[in-house]
Amino acid sequence: DIQMTQSPSSLSASVGDRVTITCRASQGIRNDLGWYQQKPGKAPKRLIFGASSLQSGVPSRFSGSGSGTEFTLTISGLQPEDFATYYCLQHNTYPWTFGHGTKVEIK
Amino acid sequence: QVQLVQSGAEVRKPGASVKVSCKASGYTFSRYGVSWVRQAPGQGLEWMGWISTFNGATEYAQKFQGRVTMTTDTSTSMAYMELRTLNSDDTAIYYCARNWDGVDYWGQGTLVTVSS
Repeated sequence: DIQMTQSPSSLSASVGDRVTITCRASQGIRNDLGWYQQKPGKAPKRLIFGASSLQSGVPSRFSGSGSGTEFTLTISGLQPEDFATYYCLQHNTYPWTFGHGTKVEIK
Repeated sequence: QVQLVQSGAEVRKPGASVKVSCKASGYTFSRYGVSWVRQAPGQGLEWMGWISTFNGATEYAQKFQGRVTMTTDTSTSMAYMELRTLNSDDTAIYYCARNWDGVDYWGQGTLVTVSS
């Protein structure tokens, strides 16, 4: 199985900060990666698909980059509603696998 | 708008089975596969497998092989996930999600509790 190593597992940040979350794949997955936001008690919501394409309706402060084995989600100008847990998902090879999540908390 | 609406919470005893349903609307059901993902309490997301709504082909994570069956009914735009021989480790929220470049839209989740 492809392991998705996501870091950090948690971070504290202030409103307006720039936040970067990384996912590293144990083998190359081209750009077959998505980023998801999950708030407590809610289903995940996709932010980014194809490693760098913004899902319709998602604010432009979210961006994704990377290809192959190294991927990044950046939030430029953290907003109060962005405090949540974020996951990456690789869908290049079965079984699809998620990162373990990054909890973004208020500093 | 795309919507996936799942069945309600279930409680089962160890060794029993559960079948969760997922009703799709707002798009052509047969054009997109359906994945199932679960999340144990306080834990991360785990992909269980997916089913093609076009021809019924399935791909299951090895962890669930032999214990899970995913089916669809295109006449009613429904997807189903049955998990058998339940144990306490299967207590989780189970999500259906539409396949598109990974998964895009998600159901609201169904809590399955396994307890004696």
